[in-house]
Amino acid sequence: QKEVEQNSGPLSVPEGAIASLNCTYSDRGSQSFFWYRQYSGKSPELIMFIYSNGDKEDGRFTAQLNKASQYVSLLIRDSQPSDSATYLCAVTGTGNQFYFGTGTSLTVIP
Amino acid sequence: DAEITQSPRHKITETGRQVTLACHQTWNHNNMFWYRQDLGHGLRLIHYSYGVQDTNKGEVSDGYSVSRSNTEDLPLTLESAASSQTSVYFCASSPSLGNGYTFGSGTRLTVV
Repeated sequence: QKEVEQNSGPLSVPEGAIASLNCTYSDRGSQSFFWYRQYSGKSPELIMFIYSNGDKEDGRFTAQLNKASQYVSLLIRDSQPSDSATYLCAVTGTGNQFYFGTGTSLTVIP
Repeated sequence: DAEITQSPRHKITETGRQVTLACHQTWNHNNMFWYRQDLGHGLRLIHYSYGVQDTNKGEVSDGYSVSRSNTEDLPLTLESAASSQTSVYFCASSPSLGNGYTFGSGTRLTVV
């Protein structure tokens, strides 16, 4: 079983809509959760992190965490074409390492 | 400004040759990591280090080695390059795992 699972997509949303990206993880001991954005041909860039159950908002981005369901999500409001990228979910495990999902490809259609 | 740099950006090498990829960070982070990224597999951990003289194997460490003689550098060596090691390699550093990683710009390695 993979430690971190993401729907690979592609996910397409119209400009201005809400994009919803989802991630599940297997290690109940995981403490820290991250979302990275990766443009084609570029390196991953950290955009959000969350440690506690509930929602965390930063501008147009909201991270949501539910440890009981082992589920973390990223909402992007008012999606823009510049948000088109692959989004990687990362989780710290009890082994003191990061585990990455394979990423969800998002396309925002103008 | 502090940064993390990788070199070279692109490299083509022949099967069987030894190759070293460089990673240098100026944040004074103790934690450094090497990943490879392949279609369908995402980011997979090769080796990591939590400080000088500390090195650890990740999930895909066979055929790779690292050494950590100072805080700033974690070079990755492919002892005898194989075609299966054609990939994009990312180095990353972090002050602590709770802070997430900062990635370098990557090295695209082709083994022919």
